[in-house]
Amino acid sequence: AQSVTQPDIHITVSEGASLELRCNYSYGATPYLFWYVQSPGQGLQLLLKYFSGDTLVQGIKGFEAEFKRSQSSFNLRKPSVHWSDAAEYFCATNDMRFGAGTRLTVKP
Amino acid sequence: NAGVTQTPKFQVLKTGQSMTLQCAQDMNHEYMSWYRQDPGMGLRLIHYSVGAGITDQGEVPNGYNVSRSTTEDFPLRLLSAAPSQTSVYFCASSPQSGQGYPYGYTFGSGTRLTVV
Repeated sequence: AQSVTQPDIHITVSEGASLELRCNYSYGATPYLFWYVQSPGQGLQLLLKYFSGDTLVQGIKGFEAEFKRSQSSFNLRKPSVHWSDAAEYFCATNDMRFGAGTRLTVKP
Repeated sequence: NAGVTQTPKFQVLKTGQSMTLQCAQDMNHEYMSWYRQDPGMGLRLIHYSVGAGITDQGEVPNGYNVSRSTTEDFPLRLLSAAPSQTSVYFCASSPQSGQGYPYGYTFGSGTRLTVV
């Protein structure tokens, strides 16, 4: 079975700073990979997904992620974080397994 | 277009009681799944379905039953509630990709269940 690991439980960044959230996967073939965001008390919302082709994918809310097969990674990035980005972020694979999540705090 | 609708939003059960969490989607999605979310553990897949009449177990199926008689509905039944089933439950649906995988889930707003 596939698995995903999110090494960082909690990250704090200042508003306006850049952000990178890490996701590592284990899978023999090329996986489908997803990033979701969960605001407090809400369900999850799909930010972006990678199936094949261009390894840099753009998503909603100004987020992007890069698939790197050599590093088994699919890290989520944003060049300038806004206070409204404070939330929990989950990486997931096509076998419907989710990472444990990374909670993002944004400092004013 | 309501998306994925879950009811109830909150529920308190006594140990040993049974109940059904309801989930409905109006997007004609093939995939429907139930997850539970517990602190520090992310989301764990309970059961899923790839179409009416087809269900399968996920990572943590014990104590739960599902059925899918229509494309729209995917109820989750707790047979005999236990305190270990205290959690937030999410239903999600997704279209199926050409390769047979979920194409990306739409989630409901969740049911917070407490078993005392």
